[in-house]
Amino acid sequence: SYELTQPPSVSVSPGQTARITCSGDALPKQYAYWYQQKPGQAPVLVIYKDSERPSGIPERFSGSSSGTTVTLTISGVQAEDEADYYCQSADSSGTFYVFGTGTKVTVL
Amino acid sequence: EVQLVESGGGLVQPGGSLRLSCAASGFTFSSYEMNWVRQAPGKGLEWVSYISSSGSTIYYADSVKGRFTISRDNAKNSLYLQMNSLRAEDTAVYYCARDHPDSGAFDIWGQGTMVTVSS
Repeated sequence: SYELTQPPSVSVSPGQTARITCSGDALPKQYAYWYQQKPGQAPVLVIYKDSERPSGIPERFSGSSSGTTVTLTISGVQAEDEADYYCQSADSSGTFYVFGTGTKVTVL
Repeated sequence: EVQLVESGGGLVQPGGSLRLSCAASGFTFSSYEMNWVRQAPGKGLEWVSYISSSGSTIYYADSVKGRFTISRDNAKNSLYLQMNSLRAEDTAVYYCARDHPDSGAFDIWGQGTMVTVSS
């Protein structure tokens, strides 16, 4: 089955930059999406179509894509950004959606 | 306000059945594709099933294929997930999520409903 791989955790000091990667073989063919999830809450979309930002999402959140890897970058990290982040995409046929393994971002 | 509200979760014995519902409001439900996504306690997100706006196209994750059935009633602005032959590993919070037609993103999520499969 198709998998998207993320690092389990990323630690960053306030004001610094956090980068979270997501790797998958079909990412050159399928868009990637990023979701933020805080404890006890439903996920929230922060990036769609690799690099687009929904309205209401702070400009410090950005996305990029290169080959089989997509990256979520949080510039000028704030304490409120501490959360789990998941990438999401589809397999090459577009019939199965898949979420990444998830990355816990800790703000030191 | 655009909103999704799940219901129907609870405690069920292994091998049992449960039907989840997701009530949509604040948008034209019949125009949107919908999904179910689950999250086991302390674990990551897992996509479960997709249904097109008309209900004519349906996909399932391998882990639930043959046991779960997704459906919708556009007249009632409601999405459903019939879960049969439940297993302990189906224990999770189940979310319904709207699939935005332009972006393909899961742009609106419900608050989730907890399903516990245990004897």
